[in-house]
Amino acid sequence: KAGVTQTPRYLIKTRGQQVTLSCSPISGHRSVSWYQQTPGQGLQFLFEYFSETQRNKGNFPGRFSGRQFSNSRSEMNVSTLELGDSALYLCASSLRGGMNTEAFFGQGTRLTVV
Amino acid sequence: DQQVKQNSPSLSVQEGRISILNCDYTNSMFDYFLWYKKYPAEGPTFLISISSIKDKNEDGRFTVFLNKSAKHLSLHIVPSQPGDSAVYFCAASAGVEGAQKLVFGQGTRLTINP
Repeated sequence: KAGVTQTPRYLIKTRGQQVTLSCSPISGHRSVSWYQQTPGQGLQFLFEYFSETQRNKGNFPGRFSGRQFSNSRSEMNVSTLELGDSALYLCASSLRGGMNTEAFFGQGTRLTVV
Repeated sequence: DQQVKQNSPSLSVQEGRISILNCDYTNSMFDYFLWYKKYPAEGPTFLISISSIKDKNEDGRFTVFLNKSAKHLSLHIVPSQPGDSAVYFCAASAGVEGAQKLVFGQGTRLTINP
């Protein structure tokens, strides 16, 4: 069974640009969550999608957005990039995202903003 | 506010001995707790979880203990092996949001010395 796949693995962008990251969940998993990891803030929840709908959102500005497709694949978009957006972006999938279920993570996309 | 805290940024243990990683939480609504292991440039790997209705869960060399009254959980690894060297994250979830929205601690870097 294939794991969570994130593309690309590494990305370098310039301030002011926008970026789109992709996540393919484990087959059969319908919930996809996104997290940002930085040395100072640790792992922080961005948002979660289930059946193409955003169910939960963390405390990030509107520049961070996402969507989910009918096949459960998800994309995350960051517009007007800032230097502070440099981070490891992780996607996690779970069967339904509810109580007492585990989330399985992809390898992440390392975004560097210069 | 840091709802999940791992107060030890690092821990060094000799191979073959027991490793004990600690985690405290403040939100009494948390009812499911998970431990993840993370290597550099990779996503977190799920290790073990525990529901708030239990006080112990064991899986091979890994045991998680939960003390609800103290809002404290710990991960025991015995015997410790060199491959256990990694950063360990404690995570918590609440109610129906569950795996949709995990709250992570800052992590503890475990080093196993030969």
